[in-house]
Amino acid sequence: DAKTTQPPSMDCAEGRAANLPCNHSTISGNEYVYWYRQIHSQGPQYIIHGLKNNETNEMASLIITEDRKSSTLILPHATLRDTAVYYCIVRDTGANSKLTFGKGITLSVRP
Amino acid sequence: DGGITQSPKYLFRKEGQNVTLSCEQNLNHDAMYWYRQDPGQGLRLIYYSQIVNDFQKGDIAEGYSVSREKKESFPLTVTSAQKNPTAFYLCASSEQGAETQYFGPGTRLLVL
Repeated sequence: DAKTTQPPSMDCAEGRAANLPCNHSTISGNEYVYWYRQIHSQGPQYIIHGLKNNETNEMASLIITEDRKSSTLILPHATLRDTAVYYCIVRDTGANSKLTFGKGITLSVRP
Repeated sequence: DGGITQSPKYLFRKEGQNVTLSCEQNLNHDAMYWYRQDPGQGLRLIYYSQIVNDFQKGDIAEGYSVSREKKESFPLTVTSAQKNPTAFYLCASSEQGAETQYFGPGTRLLVL
């Protein structure tokens, strides 16, 4: 049972910002939003996660709406190497909590 | 150079054979996971282990078996009972209760 919905695909031009949306309208108070990405035929790679506040690291920024029902992953200057499937995942922090991957959104960065 | 290794990268199996996929990590992580990915789909959890000598079934455990005799190793056996084993198999590990899972490069299993 998917807790998140993402568009199937999007594209952006190299050097521009890529804004990847995610809806999680049933998120509960103790659940975090995680983003992973998977480059073709490789294992997924952790990008970023957050609870309420916006987060930024060397890879991306995560913007979470005030009601926490949606979020946006921002790649500030997309490169061709950012072409991948991006997964938005909602997860609580219990000891036995597992990651549930949906189909994600395929980002294609064009030259 | 810490990380997760999976071998082999490609594996061929004849129908009716069992086959074991290797997963090793030197990150000193307590928890390890096995996922299956079919073309165009997300990952589905097969088995996971939070600690040595203990493991739990995930969402699609039927036809698979695992062992966790050592902290750094979590091999997955695809048995002949798994009727559709062709897939991309991914192993991951994390610190106990931690948010971030680290993934290996995957093994692609093909049934001949």
